[in-house]
Amino acid sequence: KNEVEQSPQNLTAQEGEFITINCSYSVGISALHWLQQHPGGGIVSLFMLSSGKKKHGRLIATINIQEKHSSLHITASHPRDSAVYICAVRYFGNEKLTFGTGTRLTIIP
Amino acid sequence: DGGITQSPKYLFRKEGQNVTLSCEQNLNHDAMYWYRQDPGQGLRLIYYSQIVNDFQKGDIAEGYSVSREKKESFPLTVTSAQKNPTAFYLCASRADRVYGYTFGSGTRLTVV
Repeated sequence: KNEVEQSPQNLTAQEGEFITINCSYSVGISALHWLQQHPGGGIVSLFMLSSGKKKHGRLIATINIQEKHSSLHITASHPRDSAVYICAVRYFGNEKLTFGTGTRLTIIP
Repeated sequence: DGGITQSPKYLFRKEGQNVTLSCEQNLNHDAMYWYRQDPGQGLRLIYYSQIVNDFQKGDIAEGYSVSREKKESFPLTVTSAQKNPTAFYLCASRADRVYGYTFGSGTRLTVV
């Protein structure tokens, strides 16, 4: 069964700390997405990766295709980064996205 | 600006009533999707449509129906046959041959 595992489920950190959220998947994928969901519920797409590394502001996403693993890093974390971060993959030959259950991040001032 | 509009944001219905959730996009995207989110679970695919007048069932289609009469619109009807309809519903779209998705802000449906 194709699944997506995220860790940790919950993460609380002090403002300014470096944050890492991990995502593992089971078989070959055509793309991996990192998404952000704020308390209101709407989802924002942060990154789409098929290889390597991408950076946008304080956010960095990496993917290791051989290890079937991706990480989302946040540098100099801020309370406004508090949200649920969701990893989703598109497996080869599959139209749909398969989602992880999310990591709830809380940044304390 | 282009995007996806879902309405309403909050919706309350009595048990046994059908209810239709709206999803409109002005991105000229070919594919559109409906997902359901329950606490502690990942988003699950209800229905998707890759082209006008065509749609396919996702993993949890029972109790739901959709239509795709226009490229920009993909409404979802939650029927009385859906046994546990209270959930958060998200609509998404994707341009053909492009892997990136755009998500709406969601509709929280509560059936009482």
